[in-house]
Amino acid sequence: DVKVTQSSRYLVKRTGEKVFLECVQDMDHENMFWYRQDPGLGLRLIYFSYDVKMKEKGDIPEGYSVSREKKERFSLILESASTNQTSMYLCASRSGTFGNTIYFGEGSWLTVV
Amino acid sequence: AQSVTQLGSHVSVSEGALVLLRCNYSSSVPPYLFWYVQYPNQGLQLLLKYTSAATLVKGINGFEAEFKKSETSFHLTKPSAHMSDAAEYFCAVYTGGFKTIFGAGTRLFVKA
Repeated sequence: DVKVTQSSRYLVKRTGEKVFLECVQDMDHENMFWYRQDPGLGLRLIYFSYDVKMKEKGDIPEGYSVSREKKERFSLILESASTNQTSMYLCASRSGTFGNTIYFGEGSWLTVV
Repeated sequence: AQSVTQLGSHVSVSEGALVLLRCNYSSSVPPYLFWYVQYPNQGLQLLLKYTSAATLVKGINGFEAEFKKSETSFHLTKPSAHMSDAAEYFCAVYTGGFKTIFGAGTRLFVKA
Protein backbone atom coordinates (compact mmCIF):
# COMPACT_ATOMS: atom_id res chain seq x y z
CA ASP A 1 0.00 0.00 0.00
CA VAL A 2 1.04 3.55 -0.66
CA LYS A 3 2.02 5.38 2.48
CA VAL A 4 2.05 9.15 2.74
CA THR A 5 3.27 10.24 6.14
CA GLN A 6 2.87 13.71 7.59
CA SER A 7 5.21 14.11 10.50
CA SER A 8 3.04 16.38 12.64
CA ARG A 9 -0.67 15.75 13.18
CA TYR A 10 -1.39 18.68 15.48
CA LEU A 11 0.55 21.91 15.79
CA VAL A 12 -0.05 25.16 17.62
CA LYS A 13 2.12 28.08 16.51
CA ARG A 14 2.25 31.77 17.26
CA THR A 15 1.62 34.53 14.76
CA GLY A 16 4.82 35.38 12.93
CA GLU A 17 6.53 32.04 13.52
CA LYS A 18 8.09 30.10 10.66
CA VAL A 19 6.32 26.76 10.30
CA PHE A 20 7.51 23.61 8.54
CA LEU A 21 5.13 20.82 7.59
CA GLU A 22 6.93 17.69 6.44
CA CYS A 23 5.63 14.93 4.20
CA VAL A 24 7.20 11.68 3.02
CA GLN A 25 5.87 9.13 0.53
CA ASP A 26 7.20 5.61 0.07
CA MET A 27 6.03 4.74 -3.46
CA ASP A 28 8.52 6.62 -5.63
CA HIS A 29 5.77 8.90 -6.95
CA GLU A 30 6.85 11.73 -9.21
CA ASN A 31 4.07 14.10 -8.20
CA MET A 32 3.43 15.52 -4.75
CA PHE A 33 0.89 18.06 -3.55
CA TRP A 34 -0.02 20.25 -0.62
CA TYR A 35 -3.70 21.03 -0.12
CA ARG A 36 -5.50 23.13 2.40
CA GLN A 37 -8.89 21.91 3.64
CA ASP A 38 -11.44 24.29 5.15
CA PRO A 39 -15.12 23.61 5.94
CA GLY A 40 -17.38 24.35 2.97
CA LEU A 41 -14.45 25.03 0.66
CA GLY A 42 -13.26 21.51 -0.03
CA LEU A 43 -9.61 21.03 -0.90
CA ARG A 44 -7.63 23.87 -2.38
CA LEU A 45 -4.26 23.26 -3.98
CA ILE A 46 -1.41 25.28 -2.50
CA TYR A 47 1.58 23.88 -4.41
CA PHE A 48 2.41 20.97 -6.66
CA SER A 49 5.75 19.35 -7.44
CA TYR A 50 6.34 17.08 -10.46
CA ASP A 51 10.01 16.34 -9.81
CA VAL A 52 12.85 17.05 -7.42
CA LYS A 53 13.41 20.79 -7.10
CA MET A 54 10.44 21.47 -9.46
CA LYS A 55 7.29 23.17 -8.24
CA GLU A 56 4.19 24.87 -9.54
CA LYS A 57 1.86 27.25 -7.78
CA GLY A 58 -1.64 26.04 -7.12
CA ASP A 59 -4.74 28.09 -6.40
CA ILE A 60 -3.69 29.65 -3.10
CA PRO A 61 0.13 29.90 -2.90
CA GLU A 62 0.28 33.27 -1.15
CA GLY A 63 1.97 33.05 2.23
CA TYR A 64 3.40 29.61 1.52
CA SER A 65 6.52 28.13 -0.03
CA VAL A 66 7.64 24.56 -0.64
CA SER A 67 10.81 22.52 -0.87
CA ARG A 68 11.50 19.24 -2.61
CA GLU A 69 15.14 18.26 -2.27
CA LYS A 70 14.50 14.51 -2.44
CA LYS A 71 11.90 12.65 -4.46
CA GLU A 72 10.18 11.17 -1.43
CA ARG A 73 9.96 14.34 0.65
CA PHE A 74 7.88 17.48 0.12
CA SER A 75 7.84 20.26 2.69
CA LEU A 76 5.39 23.12 3.11
CA ILE A 77 6.73 26.28 4.69
CA LEU A 78 4.80 29.13 6.23
CA GLU A 79 7.36 31.93 6.33
CA SER A 80 5.41 34.01 8.85
CA ALA A 81 2.32 32.27 10.16
CA SER A 82 -0.90 34.21 10.41
CA THR A 83 -4.20 33.37 12.08
CA ASN A 84 -5.93 32.99 8.70
CA GLN A 85 -3.61 30.07 8.00
CA THR A 86 -5.24 28.05 10.76
CA SER A 87 -6.45 25.01 8.85
CA MET A 88 -6.04 21.34 8.03
CA TYR A 89 -3.16 20.69 5.62
CA LEU A 90 -3.09 17.58 3.49
CA CYS A 91 -0.08 16.20 1.67
CA ALA A 92 -0.63 13.86 -1.25
CA SER A 93 1.26 11.99 -3.95
CA ARG A 94 0.50 10.46 -7.34
CA SER A 95 2.42 8.45 -9.90
CA GLY A 96 3.01 9.73 -13.44
CA THR A 97 -0.19 9.79 -15.47
CA PHE A 98 -2.37 12.61 -14.28
CA GLY A 99 -5.60 10.64 -14.22
CA ASN A 100 -4.14 8.32 -11.62
CA THR A 101 -5.31 8.10 -8.05
CA ILE A 102 -4.05 10.67 -5.58
CA TYR A 103 -2.93 9.22 -2.23
CA PHE A 104 -3.29 11.37 0.87
CA GLY A 105 -1.60 11.62 4.20
CA GLU A 106 -3.63 11.83 7.39
CA GLY A 107 -3.40 15.59 7.58
CA SER A 108 -1.81 18.18 9.83
CA TRP A 109 -4.06 20.37 11.94
CA LEU A 110 -2.37 23.76 12.33
CA THR A 111 -3.64 26.36 14.75
CA VAL A 112 -2.03 29.80 14.66
CA VAL A 113 -2.67 31.92 17.76
CA ALA B 1 -12.96 25.69 -17.00
CA GLN B 2 -13.55 22.47 -15.17
CA SER B 3 -15.56 22.50 -11.95
CA VAL B 4 -17.34 20.18 -9.54
CA THR B 5 -20.57 20.84 -7.66
CA GLN B 6 -21.75 18.64 -4.84
CA LEU B 7 -25.40 19.20 -4.02
CA GLY B 8 -25.96 19.26 -0.30
CA SER B 9 -23.25 19.90 2.25
CA HIS B 10 -24.98 17.53 4.68
CA VAL B 11 -27.03 14.40 4.03
CA SER B 12 -28.70 12.37 6.75
CA VAL B 13 -30.05 8.83 6.25
CA SER B 14 -31.24 6.05 8.50
CA GLU B 15 -29.24 2.88 8.85
CA GLY B 16 -30.32 0.49 6.11
CA ALA B 17 -31.62 3.26 3.83
CA LEU B 18 -30.36 4.19 0.39
CA VAL B 19 -27.43 6.58 0.25
CA LEU B 20 -27.39 9.07 -2.64
CA LEU B 21 -24.73 11.76 -2.84
CA ARG B 22 -24.92 14.05 -5.83
CA CYS B 23 -22.10 15.35 -7.97
CA ASN B 24 -22.21 17.39 -11.16
CA TYR B 25 -19.16 18.39 -13.11
CA SER B 26 -18.25 20.80 -15.84
CA SER B 27 -15.68 19.79 -18.42
CA SER B 28 -15.08 20.42 -22.10
CA VAL B 29 -13.19 17.15 -22.53
CA PRO B 30 -13.86 13.59 -21.36
CA PRO B 31 -13.10 13.64 -17.67
CA TYR B 32 -11.62 11.32 -15.14
CA LEU B 33 -14.00 11.34 -12.16
CA PHE B 34 -13.34 10.27 -8.61
CA TRP B 35 -15.09 9.84 -5.29
CA TYR B 36 -12.97 10.03 -2.16
CA VAL B 37 -14.04 9.44 1.44
CA GLN B 38 -12.62 11.08 4.56
CA TYR B 39 -13.27 9.49 7.93
CA PRO B 40 -12.90 11.67 11.03
CA ASN B 41 -9.35 12.84 11.69
CA GLN B 42 -8.00 11.08 8.63
CA GLY B 43 -6.89 11.95 5.12
CA LEU B 44 -8.88 11.14 1.99
CA GLN B 45 -8.94 7.68 0.46
CA LEU B 46 -10.23 6.61 -2.94
CA LEU B 47 -13.71 5.06 -3.08
CA LEU B 48 -13.92 4.65 -6.84
CA LYS B 49 -12.97 6.28 -10.13
CA TYR B 50 -14.29 6.56 -13.68
CA THR B 51 -11.80 6.52 -16.52
CA SER B 52 -14.03 6.13 -19.63
CA ALA B 53 -14.51 2.37 -19.40
CA ALA B 54 -17.86 1.16 -17.97
CA THR B 55 -20.25 3.95 -17.01
CA LEU B 56 -21.25 2.15 -13.81
CA VAL B 57 -18.29 2.02 -11.50
CA LYS B 58 -18.13 -0.15 -8.41
CA GLY B 59 -16.00 0.88 -5.48
CA ILE B 60 -15.11 -0.25 -2.03
CA ASN B 61 -17.54 -0.81 0.85
CA GLY B 62 -20.52 -1.41 -1.46
CA PHE B 63 -20.52 2.03 -3.08
CA GLU B 64 -21.02 2.61 -6.78
CA ALA B 65 -21.39 5.59 -9.09
CA GLU B 66 -22.82 6.06 -12.54
CA PHE B 67 -21.33 8.38 -15.14
CA LYS B 68 -24.07 10.16 -17.12
CA LYS B 69 -22.57 12.30 -19.83
CA SER B 70 -25.90 13.86 -20.87
CA GLU B 71 -26.50 15.05 -17.32
CA THR B 72 -22.81 15.75 -16.54
CA SER B 73 -23.35 13.83 -13.32
CA PHE B 74 -21.48 11.23 -11.31
CA HIS B 75 -23.72 10.49 -8.33
CA LEU B 76 -22.60 8.10 -5.60
CA THR B 77 -24.98 5.47 -4.23
CA LYS B 78 -25.09 2.64 -1.75
CA PRO B 79 -28.21 0.49 -1.36
CA SER B 80 -28.08 0.16 2.41
CA ALA B 81 -26.31 2.59 4.73
CA HIS B 82 -24.23 1.38 7.64
CA MET B 83 -23.18 3.37 10.67
CA SER B 84 -19.57 3.03 9.55
CA ASP B 85 -20.38 4.99 6.37
CA ALA B 86 -20.62 8.22 8.34
CA ALA B 87 -17.89 10.38 6.84
CA GLU B 88 -17.29 13.23 4.42
CA TYR B 89 -17.36 12.43 0.73
CA PHE B 90 -15.62 14.38 -2.00
CA CYS B 91 -16.25 14.24 -5.72
CA ALA B 92 -13.30 15.22 -7.94
CA VAL B 93 -12.60 15.73 -11.63
CA TYR B 94 -9.41 15.64 -13.66
CA THR B 95 -9.40 16.80 -17.27
CA GLY B 96 -5.78 17.68 -17.97
CA GLY B 97 -2.85 19.67 -16.66
CA PHE B 98 -1.70 18.86 -13.17
CA LYS B 99 -4.76 19.77 -11.15
CA THR B 100 -7.56 17.64 -9.87
CA ILE B 101 -10.55 19.75 -8.85
CA PHE B 102 -12.36 18.73 -5.69
CA GLY B 103 -15.93 19.52 -4.72
CA ALA B 104 -16.75 21.18 -1.40
CA GLY B 105 -17.68 17.85 0.16
CA THR B 106 -20.84 16.25 1.53
CA ARG B 107 -20.97 15.08 5.11
CA LEU B 108 -23.02 11.90 5.51
CA PHE B 109 -24.77 11.25 8.80
CA VAL B 110 -26.23 7.80 9.49
CA LYS B 111 -28.95 7.51 12.12
CA ALA B 112 -29.52 4.33 14.10
